[in-house]
Amino acid sequence: QITLKESGPTLVKPTQTLTLTCTFSGFSLSSGVGVGWIRQPPGKALEWLALIFWDDDKRYSPSLKTRLTITKGTSKNQVVLTIINMDPVDTATYYCARRGTSSSGLDSWGQGTLVTVSS
Amino acid sequence: QSALTQPPSASGSPGQSVTISCTGTSSDVGGYDFVSWYQHRPGKAPKLVICDVSKRPSGVPDRFSGSKSGNTASLTVSGLQAEDEADYYCSSYAGSNNYVVFGGGTKLTVL
Repeated sequence: QITLKESGPTLVKPTQTLTLTCTFSGFSLSSGVGVGWIRQPPGKALEWLALIFWDDDKRYSPSLKTRLTITKGTSKNQVVLTIINMDPVDTATYYCARRGTSSSGLDSWGQGTLVTVSS
Repeated sequence: QSALTQPPSASGSPGQSVTISCTGTSSDVGGYDFVSWYQHRPGKAPKLVICDVSKRPSGVPDRFSGSKSGNTASLTVSGLQAEDEADYYCSSYAGSNNYVVFGGGTKLTVL
């Protein structure tokens, strides 16, 4: 059974750096597999942020590229997303998801974690 | 403003069919057969219902189907059921720079 779970602070102050961790089980970040991050501001649409592949290839949303860093965690079953210079408009539910080998879609998602940016 | 354009809402009665469109450009939807559709119920994780334009992941009912013509992809839900009420999002590969773009979402209401 594939599971993913997001963890990190629920509240950050403007200008601070947000670090989110995606801890997954039931698969490994092996050939062809990727793990990505997507967010959804309250009442708004999903927004794709970043994705890292098994071979450390990384892709970023062009509009947020300068603020995002995606890396593999210290544990083999973790992926970390860092966002610098947080702003209230970054308030959102942040999801991590798996991109498997059988298609281009994100076939398994975490439940998401709500991050609020406020002073 | 989202990269892909979806109608904000769609509706149908139980048993009917409804089709949701997703319009992009030749740089995303029209350029690749890598369109996915996600079902998102409130408080739940999004669920992949269609990938690669028309493939159905294991466990997704065959009432869900996908297609594409030019720069527009479509999701059709046949034999509507109450449980199909949700927000639906399309996404597409958009080349090595943009990589993935989402639509603005469509709220499907089962009347």
